[in-house]
Amino acid sequence: EAGVVQSPRYKIIEKKQPVAFWCNPISGHNTLYWYRQNLGQGPELLIRYENEEAVDDSQLPKDRFSAERLKGVDSTLKIQPAELGDSAVYLCASSGRTGGTDTQYFGPGTRLTVL
Amino acid sequence: GQNIDQPTEMTATEGAIVQINCTYQTSGFNGLFWYQQHAGEAPTFLSYNVLDGLEEKGRFSSFLSRSKGYSYLLLKELQMKDSASYLCAVRDDSNYQLIWGAGTKLIIKP
Repeated sequence: EAGVVQSPRYKIIEKKQPVAFWCNPISGHNTLYWYRQNLGQGPELLIRYENEEAVDDSQLPKDRFSAERLKGVDSTLKIQPAELGDSAVYLCASSGRTGGTDTQYFGPGTRLTVL
Repeated sequence: GQNIDQPTEMTATEGAIVQINCTYQTSGFNGLFWYQQHAGEAPTFLSYNVLDGLEEKGRFSSFLSRSKGYSYLLLKELQMKDSASYLCAVRDDSNYQLIWGAGTKLIIKP
């Protein structure tokens, strides 16, 4: 069974440029998470989707970050415009059951460098 | 407030045993997870505890005491490939969010 797929794996951009990350969860997983992880820290939740509905986006910086999961399968996270402080690894995870009660499985992440 | 504490770094010898501790203070509790994360890679699930006691899975075991807000991950017969960060995460029962520790970097020496 294929795991969580993310692309790109690495991205280098200049500040003020836009950037987008893509995630395809494990087949059949209804819940999808986007996290941001800085070096030496644990993941920080940005947004959680149950199917196509964003049920927890309280920690998403909405002035510059947006996300969508239109058909309840794959998802895109966008930053526009990027700032130096956005440099981090962006992780996508999925879990089987809705409600956040199931184990989360992570993709390989996208390492973003903002210059 | 919500807080998860784990040592920043530990060193152990190949073939030995190491115990990585995690203490937590959270407003709600619905289980504790341990994940392994190799440098530059995604976290991978190791174990889940929701009841007090020890869960054993091969060379890895995880223990939980809910009354003490304490867990540990025990790694036996250490191998060089066990060099990684080990992340402790508590699931909050109000919103089922995972609250993550900063991780413990484990260095294995020959």
